[in-house]
Amino acid sequence: AQTVTQSQPEMSVQEAETVTLSCTYDTSESDYYLFWYKQPPSRQMILVIRQEAYKQQNATENRFSVNFQKAAKSFSLKISDSQLGDAAMYFCAYRSRDDKIIFGKGTRLHILP
Amino acid sequence: GAVVSQHPSWVICKSGTSVKIECRSLDFQATTMFWYRQFPKQSLMLMATSNEGSKATYEQGVEKDKFLINHASLTLSTLTVTSAHPEDSSFYICSARLMNTEAFFGQGTRLTVV
Repeated sequence: AQTVTQSQPEMSVQEAETVTLSCTYDTSESDYYLFWYKQPPSRQMILVIRQEAYKQQNATENRFSVNFQKAAKSFSLKISDSQLGDAAMYFCAYRSRDDKIIFGKGTRLHILP
Repeated sequence: GAVVSQHPSWVICKSGTSVKIECRSLDFQATTMFWYRQFPKQSLMLMATSNEGSKATYEQGVEKDKFLINHASLTLSTLTVTSAHPEDSSFYICSARLMNTEAFFGQGTRLTVV
């Protein structure tokens, strides 16, 4: 069975600074998708970024980028120029071949003004 | 992006009663929808996979007789919590996926059983 591990329950970063959230996963599949989702206080799940496992190039979406290390099964999220609106719970997620999405326990990100 | 609407956003019910939660894909057809449960300050736990026109597939440990799932059309899946008890109080979230794209999530339903 696949597992997703987020080892940082909480993190804080100064506004405008850069922060990296860690995520590791375990799988025997070779083809899969990885995601980072943001869950603000409204609890609406918002997709931040997606990475296909077959792509070597790291995904980037504006201030958000990932460091995908397939061999190490690592998928970290870097947020540049942190903004107050980035404060939320961030979940790393894995989507398997059967379409199920498995979430890590989450990292609560605080932005310090 | 695609929109998934969940209704109601919150509901309070008495112990022993049943409550139905709806999940609709508003601008696309979803052959598969997923139901999650989220306890306070915890992650989302997959409860079941809802397939249009067939029986839902439940994750291990999820009582299929308590959490009834019906996926009667390509745009609607419902979760009915039967004979609800206070321990069923939780945040329930559905998601639906377009073919070969990411999943889109509903806004969630906060269920409180008193």
